[in-house]
Amino acid sequence: NAGVTQTPKFQVLKTGQSMTLQCAQDMNHEYMSWYRQDPGMGLRLIHYSVGAGITDQGEVPNGYNVSRSTTEDFPLRLLSAAPSQTSVYFCASSPTGTREQYFGPGTRLTVT
Amino acid sequence: QQQVKQSPQSLIVQKGGISIINCAYENTAFDYFPWYQQFPGKGPALLIAIRPDVSEKKEGRFTISFNKSAKQFSLHIMDSQPGDSATYFCAASIEGGSEKLVFGKGTKLTVNP
Repeated sequence: NAGVTQTPKFQVLKTGQSMTLQCAQDMNHEYMSWYRQDPGMGLRLIHYSVGAGITDQGEVPNGYNVSRSTTEDFPLRLLSAAPSQTSVYFCASSPTGTREQYFGPGTRLTVT
Repeated sequence: QQQVKQSPQSLIVQKGGISIINCAYENTAFDYFPWYQQFPGKGPALLIAIRPDVSEKKEGRFTISFNKSAKQFSLHIMDSQPGDSATYFCAASIEGGSEKLVFGKGTKLTVNP
């Protein structure tokens, strides 16, 4: 199993550009989530999904969109990037009922 | 609103010493308390977790102590090693809360040789 994979590893955007951060898992986990990690702020939940077709907002959802068309994939979209979205983004998945989250390696995003 | 408060922000320990990281929470609906370990450039990984029906859980050199009345829990790393140098996050979750975790802000542990 590859576990949770994220692409790209690094990305630089200009203000106003859009992009999609990809996340995939091959463990058949129903629950998937996106976090951002900023220095001194810990991990903050952006969006999450409890299964295909179901998504919901987390603590810091503004500026981000998600969709979940398959169990395996959970992409995160930035429609109009802002410097405040400079961060490291982590995707995680969890088998339903365990609350044991498996994290991907992260995407480091810089918005200039 | 910070629902899980973690301290200290950073910690330096000598090899062989005990590392102690503390977390406190307010929401009594939390019923699952994991600790994650993160090495530089990597994603966090689950280290150990506890539920409030026990006061302590030990896995190797890592122990969680849980005080339900004080709404506090802590991670103890015995015989700390340089390879334990990492950032540690405590977290909390509510049963039926869609698997969501609320994280503390993290503690950067450095173990000197």
